[in-house]
Amino acid sequence: NAGVTQTPKFRVLKTGQSMTLLCAQDMNHEYMYWYRQDPGMGLRLIHYSVGEGTTAKGEVPDGYNVSRLKKQNFLLGLESAAPSQTSVYFCASSTRDSYGYTFGSGTRLTVV
Amino acid sequence: KQEVTQIPAALSVPEGENLVLNCSFTDSAIYNLQWFRQDPGKGLTSLLLIQSSQREQTSGRLNASLDKSSGRSTLYIAASQPGDSATYLCAGPNQAGTALIFGKGTTLSVSS
Repeated sequence: NAGVTQTPKFRVLKTGQSMTLLCAQDMNHEYMYWYRQDPGMGLRLIHYSVGEGTTAKGEVPDGYNVSRLKKQNFLLGLESAAPSQTSVYFCASSTRDSYGYTFGSGTRLTVV
Repeated sequence: KQEVTQIPAALSVPEGENLVLNCSFTDSAIYNLQWFRQDPGKGLTSLLLIQSSQREQTSGRLNASLDKSSGRSTLYIAASQPGDSATYLCAGPNQAGTALIFGKGTTLSVSS
């Protein structure tokens, strides 16, 4: 019973580098989300998807892109990493209307 | 725009004490309100979900209430234990009903 799996768990990037975070869920959930969590700022929504092939912007989308080519996967991309993107990133999935929210264990990203 | 606020930001209590965590939200048209727990360095785990038609929901020593008219929810923890030490977050749907918006959480410390 894997639930939501995030890879990698840790990563250090240099300013300007690019990377992709992968989220995979095995619960057949329609909706998937990317959040970032920063001290004092709480959990903020970056992008989300309400179905395969769809994406939408959340509260803090700038500097990130996402893709949902398959229902079970949701990718978060950083094209040119900045120190301000140092954070813990969480992926989550749910059924329609935000029921059954399940979180991954997080990716700790440091941009130097 | 949905905004979720939690008070207090941190709370320290001795073991055995009953306690209340508070959550307020701005969009009273929510259809559910959820409470999550986060242990240090971990992802979030769902605790309780209260539908808009319900006034409260119980799970073991936890009881959550919802008052849509006042825009408030409370999480009551009975007979607290050191194992209850964690950060508790509440969340409500955004206006489109497509994602959860989280409060910044209350960090609880229960001493033995």
